[in-house]
Amino acid sequence: QSVLTQPPSVSGAPGQRITISCTGSSSNFGADYDVHWYQQLPGTAPKLLIYANTNRPSGVPDRLSASKSGTSASLAITGLQAEDEADYYCQSFDISLRAYVFGTGTKVTVL
Amino acid sequence: QVQLQESGPGLVKPSGTLSLTCAVSGASISSSTWWSWVRQPPGKGPEWIGEIYHSGNTNYNPSLKSRVTISMDRSKNQFSLKLSSVTAADTAVYFCTREGFSRFDYWGQGTLVTVSS
Repeated sequence: QSVLTQPPSVSGAPGQRITISCTGSSSNFGADYDVHWYQQLPGTAPKLLIYANTNRPSGVPDRLSASKSGTSASLAITGLQAEDEADYYCQSFDISLRAYVFGTGTKVTVL
Repeated sequence: QVQLQESGPGLVKPSGTLSLTCAVSGASISSSTWWSWVRQPPGKGPEWIGEIYHSGNTNYNPSLKSRVTISMDRSKNQFSLKLSSVTAADTAVYFCTREGFSRFDYWGQGTLVTVSS
């Protein structure tokens, strides 16, 4: 039921900048529903990283930023660190499915 | 600090009913917020199951609606999930979460439920 599409994997060297895309449709992002981003370390619950398209909860470093435009969204991590190795998911609401939906997930590897 | 803790059987037989409870601390489930269940099959992304409001109103994922019931016990500050007629496809880590403004900001640690005979 993943209507939000992400690249399966993204990698980068320490210190580099990476971006993770999340492609939606007219029934979620295009219908003006917000996108939220989560980080999931192995064996743990997802952690909210970005909410309402661009906002960071307290404690999330400003190395992480996000944007949303039309039917797409993206998460950027600058100054990549070993601790950033994790799975990342976008999430929104889909009016056609009448359900909260998560992206397919992106595994970030720090080379 | 809001904390959530799932509990329930880790093994359920096919065609049986999965039952889980989420104990909430640091917040009242009677506050004006939604409480949700999310599951994640091994190696896959999360899937939203459904939610319950402090008033008792519920919303369910249409893909699971016919089999799901979410309820709350205000006296124990906890909410529960029942999923009937389970199959191997229901094997997953089940998380309870607090939901606000369409996002999930607090999560339990999750509990693995395996459907097997």
